[in-house]
Amino acid sequence: DIQMTQSPSFLSASVGDRVTINCKASQNINKYLDWYQQKLGEAPKLLIYNTNSLHTAIPSRFSGSGSGTDFTLTISSLQPEDVATYFCFQHNSGWTFGGGTKLELK
Amino acid sequence: EVQLVESGGGLVQPGRSLKLSCAASGFTFSNYYMAWVRQAPTKGLEWVAYISTGGGSTYYRDSVKGRFTISRDNAKSTLYLQMDSLRSEDTATYYCTTLRSWGQGVMVTVSS
Repeated sequence: DIQMTQSPSFLSASVGDRVTINCKASQNINKYLDWYQQKLGEAPKLLIYNTNSLHTAIPSRFSGSGSGTDFTLTISSLQPEDVATYFCFQHNSGWTFGGGTKLELK
Repeated sequence: EVQLVESGGGLVQPGRSLKLSCAASGFTFSNYYMAWVRQAPTKGLEWVAYISTGGGSTYYRDSVKGRFTISRDNAKSTLYLQMDSLRSEDTATYYCTTLRSWGQGVMVTVSS
């Protein structure tokens, strides 16, 4: 089974900061990596699919990059409403979620 | 507007059964793989099972194989999860999802 390792597990940043969250796969997953945002008490929401495709109505401050085993979610200018937990998800070979990154405001 | 509405959750004793349903609307249900993803309290996301468009192929995580059964009724645009021999570690919020869209979740608590 493919393992997905997210880092950091916890992140504290200020409004306007550039934030990056990383996800590392235990083997090559090509481009098949998605990112989800989950706010407290809510269902997950798809942000990015297939590494770098922005889902419908997602603000352009969110972007994704990477290939093979190393992937990154970037928030170019952190907004208060971005406080959430972020999960990566691979669907190249079976399915696996990353452990999550909790993002808070400093 | 896509809507996925789960039902059937609740409190159940270990070893008993529960059946979740997910009513879908706002999209062509029969065109999409469907899945159940769960989240234990304060924990991360964990896929449980998913099913192909016609229902002919099903996939389960190891910990639920032989105990859970995913199925769908395309005529009714409804997804199901039959959960048998429930264990305390199955306690979680269960989400119905196309991966692009998610329901609000339904809580399942397994406790004596």
